[in-house]
Amino acid sequence: GEDVEQSLFLSVREGDSSVINCTYTDSSSTYLYWYKQEPGAGLQLLTYIFSNMDMKQDQRLTVLLNKKDKHLSLRIADTQTGDSAIYFCAEIRTGNQFYFGTGTSLTVIP
Amino acid sequence: DTEVTQTPKHLVMGMTNKKSLKCEQHMGHRAMYWYKQKAKKPPELMFVYSYEKLSINESVPSRFSPECPNSSLLNLHLHALQPEDSALYLCASSQVAGGSDTQYFGPGTRLTVL
Repeated sequence: GEDVEQSLFLSVREGDSSVINCTYTDSSSTYLYWYKQEPGAGLQLLTYIFSNMDMKQDQRLTVLLNKKDKHLSLRIADTQTGDSAIYFCAEIRTGNQFYFGTGTSLTVIP
Repeated sequence: DTEVTQTPKHLVMGMTNKKSLKCEQHMGHRAMYWYKQKAKKPPELMFVYSYEKLSINESVPSRFSPECPNSSLLNLHLHALQPEDSALYLCASSQVAGGSDTQYFGPGTRLTVL
């Protein structure tokens, strides 16, 4: 299938905001997700957004959705060293099959 | 409780061994999934079980054999694996399959095939 695209790497300084971008492929996806994966661990659900929303805020996390451009972003405010991880966006395609983005490795510099 | 547990955490096996991976959830979810994840890559779907029946097999080789003994348990039986099968194997569950349901993941089993 077509790839869900993400930038591979992002470095930010502690306390700054991080913005992780994702371009997905299926315009009929009803939900879009962000997962976090720390080294050697499974995937932790961070947040999700319903496709009829433009924005969702959850504490330090803000998700923006542009359906026209099939663009999803995750903003992490006041980024901490504990936020260093790989972040995957995911879309649902036909049959509730999740397709994950290529993953963005976030490094937070103290 | 949104916990999915997996055992063992790590597994090393030879190409002639037979082993099994186990996954358990007690959230009342009726859909369970196996994914394979290679280093620095996204998870790739292997199998989907819906109401204890296999609903999706993503052309996985027969040396991987899934089993769903009941709605809380999912096993992955391994036999005659190849070194390229070394990966992190992730289990997930969701309320149902076929809808837009959030999937919750276990911590994974790190498999090394010698």
